[in-house]
Order: sequence, then structure tokens, then C-alpha cells
Amino acid sequence: SQTIHQWPVTLVQPVGSPLSLECTVEGTSNPNLYWYRQAAGRGLQLLFYSVGIGQISSEVPQNLSASRPQDRQFILSSKKLLLSDSGFYLCAWSGTGFSEYEQYFGPGTRLTVT
Amino acid sequence: AQKVTQAQTEISVVEKEDVTLDCVYETRDTTYYLFWYKQPPSGELVFLIRRNSFDEQNEISGRYSWNFQKSTSSFNFTITASQVVDSAVYFCALSPSNTGKLIFGQGTTLQVKP
Repeated sequence: SQTIHQWPVTLVQPVGSPLSLECTVEGTSNPNLYWYRQAAGRGLQLLFYSVGIGQISSEVPQNLSASRPQDRQFILSSKKLLLSDSGFYLCAWSGTGFSEYEQYFGPGTRLTVT
Repeated sequence: AQKVTQAQTEISVVEKEDVTLDCVYETRDTTYYLFWYKQPPSGELVFLIRRNSFDEQNEISGRYSWNFQKSTSSFNFTITASQVVDSAVYFCALSPSNTGKLIFGQGTTLQVKP
């Protein structure tokens, strides 16, 4: 079966510090990968998605970036965090074929920028 | 424009009551997918159901049922005989054809009291 991991679980970082959140998927090959942010405990906003190694699409201009160095690894980064970057970050994966559009989410990382 | 509206921000019911969560969507695509996800207090999103735009058959899974009506662009979710464990935030989402992206509504917080 497939599993998705995210770490760290929680993170408190000062404004201006760098960020690196990691997401890995097990039990599947060549998944589509996604990063979402949920602010103020409400709706989810798609930040980035990737259909393959090194292929990243950005949905929202911001000071965040994403990378996919390996097939099942997706990293969210920032060089300098802003207060507005606080939120709950969720990674998701989807397969291909019939189930392509079902996304399965990781446990999330709660980021507080102080 | 692609949009999902969940007009009910919060709903509170007493255990064993039936409850319906509303979802209205907007899209110009003829092919699209609709989803419901559950977010318990732990934060992880749990996939509940996917529906494609050509299948208007209602679906029942245990105490859960979904009513898809293209004529009103609605995809409502009913929980029969609600239980305390149903307390969560529920999200409706739309995936336009061939994008693999999810557009989420703002969510409905359901509180089931014993």
C-alpha cells in the first residue's frame, strides 16, 4: 500500500529564516505530487505540483519554491520566511490512469513564523 | 471561472440526526471531477468520494450518501444518523479536466454533539 510522509510535524521559525519541508511517498512510482497551504484553519490553496523529477509548476507567485530531486520526494523551500507564510502545509500525491484525479494527503506540517 | 462554494461555515447537530452539507461548483468544462474530503482534528485530509461529470448516479456508502445534480451544479453530502466521530471539517473540491488540480471550497465545520 502507498503511504506519504511529511516532516517536520511542527515548526516554529523566525521571520527571515530559511525553510525546508520534505515529503516522501512510498509504494508507488512516478506519482504526481502537490504542495498545498491551509491558512487560518480553512480552505486549501495549491502552491506547486509536479508530474515528474525536476518538473515543477507554480500556482501562486510567492517567496516559496519547490523541488523534486527524486521520483518520490518533494521539497518545499524558502530563503527568507515572511509572517504570512505561517500555516498548515500539506503534501499530496496522485497516481495515473483511472485514479489520476484522486489525491491522497500526508499528515501535514504546521509552520509558525514569529 | 472555476470555483467551489460551501455556503455553510459551521453546522452543529445532535448525535443520530441526519445532516446535509451543501456544495455548489462553477466550471465551463464539460468533463470534470468532484470530490469530498474529511479533515478531522488531526489535520490530515481523508478522501471520501470522487465523481466524474458524466455520472449523475447518487452514491451511498454506509451512513454517507452523495447527491450530484448537474442541473444545479451541486454535489451535496448527507450523513445519516450522525455520530460524534463525524465531527470534522468537510471539503468539497473540483478538478477540471486533464489538470489533476483540486480547487477546494472553504470547508464546512461539522460538530456532532453527544
